[in-house]
Amino acid sequence: ILNVEQSPQSLHVQEGDSTNFTCSFPSSNFYALHWYRWETAKSPEALFVMTLNGDEKKKGRISATLNTKEGYSYLYIKGSQPEDSATYLCASGYYTGNQFYFGTGTSLTVIP
Amino acid sequence: DGGITQSPKYLFRKEGQNVTLSCEQNLNHDAMYWYRQDPGQGLRLIYYSQIVNDFQKGDIAEGYSVSREKKESFPLTVTSAQKNPTAFYLCASSINLWGYEQYFGPGTRLTVT
Repeated sequence: ILNVEQSPQSLHVQEGDSTNFTCSFPSSNFYALHWYRWETAKSPEALFVMTLNGDEKKKGRISATLNTKEGYSYLYIKGSQPEDSATYLCASGYYTGNQFYFGTGTSLTVIP
Repeated sequence: DGGITQSPKYLFRKEGQNVTLSCEQNLNHDAMYWYRQDPGQGLRLIYYSQIVNDFQKGDIAEGYSVSREKKESFPLTVTSAQKNPTAFYLCASSINLWGYEQYFGPGTRLTVT
C-alpha cells in the first residue's frame, strides 16, 4: 500500500483570499494524478487529471501543477468564495499492479 | 440524465449476512470501481473492472466479491467474511483506467450490527 499525503488537513480562509494545498505521492511507476472536490452531501467531482511532469491545468479560479520527479502536486484557488468550501482529494495511479491511492483530503472552509 | 446510481442510500444488516450493493451507470464507461471510506482515512480501492467479465482486486478486496456481467452494472457483495463491513461505499466509473477522470455515485452507507 502506497502513501499519498495531503496537507494541510484543514484550512479556514476569508472570502477573497487565495490558497493552495499540497499532495505528495510516491513517484516510482507513477501513471496519473487526480484532483477531486467533495462537497458535503454530494459525490466527489473531478477537477483535474494530470499525467506528465510539468503539467499545469486550470479551470476558472482553480489551477494545479504536477512534479512527477519529486512526487508532488499543488492545487491553487485564487480569490476563494464560500462555494469553494469542500474537501479536496488527490489520488495517484501506478503502473505496477494497476493500483490507485487517495489521500485523506484537505478540508477548506471559506468564511464570508 | 447520464450518471451513476447506487442503491440503497442506507443499508442495515445483521452480522453474518451477505449483502449486495448496487451500482449502475449509463455513461457508456468501460471502467468501474468500488471504494470504501472509513473515518479519518482516504478512499480505499476494493475492486475495479476495466471491461465486462473482467475485474481485479484492489488493496482491500478480502471479504468482498464483485461481478461485471454487463457494461452498465458492477454490484458489490459484502460477505460475512469481511471483518469490519460498516462503512461508506462509493462506486465510480471512467472511460478507461487511471488516466481518465472518475465519476462517482452518491454512495451507500452500510451498517452491520
